[in-house]
Amino acid sequence: QLVLTQSPSASASLGASVKLTCTLTSTHMNYAITWHQQQPEKGPRFLMKVDSEGDYTKGDGIPDRFSGSTSGTERYLTISNLQSEDEADYHCQTWATGIRVFGTGTKVTVL
Amino acid sequence: EVQLVESGGGLVQPGGSLRLSCAASGFSFSTYYMTWVRQSPGQGLEWVATIKEDGSETYYVDSVKGRFTISRDNAKNSLYLQMDSLRAGDTAVYYCARDSYSEGVDDWGQGTLVTVSS
Repeated sequence: QLVLTQSPSASASLGASVKLTCTLTSTHMNYAITWHQQQPEKGPRFLMKVDSEGDYTKGDGIPDRFSGSTSGTERYLTISNLQSEDEADYHCQTWATGIRVFGTGTKVTVL
Repeated sequence: EVQLVESGGGLVQPGGSLRLSCAASGFSFSTYYMTWVRQSPGQGLEWVATIKEDGSETYYVDSVKGRFTISRDNAKNSLYLQMDSLRAGDTAVYYCARDSYSEGVDDWGQGTLVTVSS
């Protein structure tokens, strides 16, 4: 079963870094995922695609502070130099023939 | 610039129907899968349905199979979601999203609110 697991929350201080994790099952460890940011009361915005090799491709206009990486079944989103506008929900997504799957989302709080 | 603009949301009674539309521009619509995603109040994102580039294949989450129909008109750069037999649990903001088998979901509309209530 294609499932993505995310921690419900994360926090870090203004100017610090935070690393979010999206975990695939071992059966699907070669799958790519996408990351999406959803600021309060707004729709989602595509951030990047992260593949199983750790390569990531960002969407237009996404700041350099956002980066992606991989380790085994885990796909990461790292936000460096955290800003107040980064306080948001972050969703990961993956796909296969006939199905699309979202993680439950991680709420990031900027302290 | 990619633009996806949803319309057609509103208040509908349980058992009723609604048709959502999504007008696409700024990219080659006919070369992308398209997907509907919904978000119930206070909840995460839930995939609803996906359609292939030429409309030849469609996929649905189990909870809407037999009630919802996704379709597209490539000549009009438009995506649709026909929702029948609506239930209170279908209340959500519905987003249109650009999708591809190689890249996943990579762009979003602003969403349209569907409220199912008597």
